[in-house]
Amino acid sequence: SQELEQSPQSLIVQEGKNLTINCTSSKTLYGLYWYKQKYGEGLIFLMMLQKGGEEKSHEKITAKLDEKKQQSSLHITASQPSHAGIYLCGADLRGGSNYKLTFGKGTLLTVNP
Amino acid sequence: DAGVIQSPRHEVTEMGQEVTLRCKPISGHNSLFWYRQTMMRGLELLIYFNNNVPIDDSGMPEDRFSAKMPNASFSTLKIQPSEPRDSAVYFCASSPPGSGGPHEQFFGPGTRLTVL
Repeated sequence: SQELEQSPQSLIVQEGKNLTINCTSSKTLYGLYWYKQKYGEGLIFLMMLQKGGEEKSHEKITAKLDEKKQQSSLHITASQPSHAGIYLCGADLRGGSNYKLTFGKGTLLTVNP
Repeated sequence: DAGVIQSPRHEVTEMGQEVTLRCKPISGHNSLFWYRQTMMRGLELLIYFNNNVPIDDSGMPEDRFSAKMPNASFSTLKIQPSEPRDSAVYFCASSPPGSGGPHEQFFGPGTRLTVL
């Protein structure tokens, strides 16, 4: 089974709506990284979370890591077409690793104008 | 500034043929990563180089896959012989010296490989 599950697999929203993407692990998350990917392009780093209960925001995107460090959520407020793409979570499940992540399969976000 | 450069961007080949993917990391970066992305398995790390030396190749699927980094500005990923199940997008990423984690990896645009 997948060590890191992302939900939903895909999401279609109307411009201006809020949305949440979840990333759930069967193991402790020593580090959780959110990335955005556009079709035909590589990954762009968004945010990193390491402490239980941590929350970070950048523009209209907020990411949280729960207290138990086994789930993270990415929330977009007032979505725009520029938010469209694939969102991936990557997790350090081993602790002490500074390069090796386990990735979820991604969430495809479509924002309709 | 140029980012990570990968070539070719698209490759279509027939089963049994040799495929070579190329990567030029960002100048000054000393760590290089090869990833593979498929619908079924998501994004997986294949191999990691530091200062041109392979550090972790545990993600390389089998002996048909090999990777080299002859110098700090060039790396190749070779598949010989290729099989249809190798069809995927292959990403190269690099990170600077002293980087503290994956958030400092810069990704190339990827090579979309199709093996018929």
